[in-house]
Amino acid sequence: EDQVTQSPEALRLQEGESSSLNCSYTVSGLRGLFWYRQDPGKGPEFLFTLYSAGEEKEKERLKATLTKKESFLHITAPKPEDSATYLCAVQNQAGTALIFGKGTTLSVSS
Amino acid sequence: NAGVTQTPKFQVLKTGQSMTLQCAQDMNHEYMSWYRQDPGMGLRLIHYSVGAGITDQGEVPNGYNVSRSTTEDFPLRLLSAAPSQTSVYFCASSPPLGSSSYEQYFGPGTRLTVT
Repeated sequence: EDQVTQSPEALRLQEGESSSLNCSYTVSGLRGLFWYRQDPGKGPEFLFTLYSAGEEKEKERLKATLTKKESFLHITAPKPEDSATYLCAVQNQAGTALIFGKGTTLSVSS
Repeated sequence: NAGVTQTPKFQVLKTGQSMTLQCAQDMNHEYMSWYRQDPGMGLRLIHYSVGAGITDQGEVPNGYNVSRSTTEDFPLRLLSAAPSQTSVYFCASSPPLGSSSYEQYFGPGTRLTVT
């Protein structure tokens, strides 16, 4: 069964304190792994797609990496505006749906 | 480009009532889907469509119907609302498989309460 597990469930950081969010997955043939950001009361906002192990993508203070079993979202020198819930999802080779993790809620205080 | 739009934003129903959640996209995406998001459960797929006239069930389809008569629209119908259907509903769309990128883009959501 395809499955995504995100950890930790919640993370509190001080502004400038770098950290990483983890997404572990099992999937019957990975077509793609996706990271989304979700602000309260809004829909998920697309951040990155990773297709194969070893791939990395960056956007501002965020960097996503992928291995055969997990993905990390590294946050460098976070700011309060980075506070949000970060969702990880995988798509299998059948490609008919995204399987989401439950998310990591990040709070960054100044 | 408006992207993915959903109406209404908020809705309160009584048990047994029916209603339709509207979803439209202007990106000419073939793939569209409906998810529900509940606390502690994450996003779960209700129904999806790979093109006009083609729909299929996701993980939690019971109590919901869909149809896809055009590329742009993908309405979700609640046949007889139940309190268990209280949730936030998101519509999403993406380019078809085989495209250079196929990330799904989400609408702003509809918050439904069934009393």
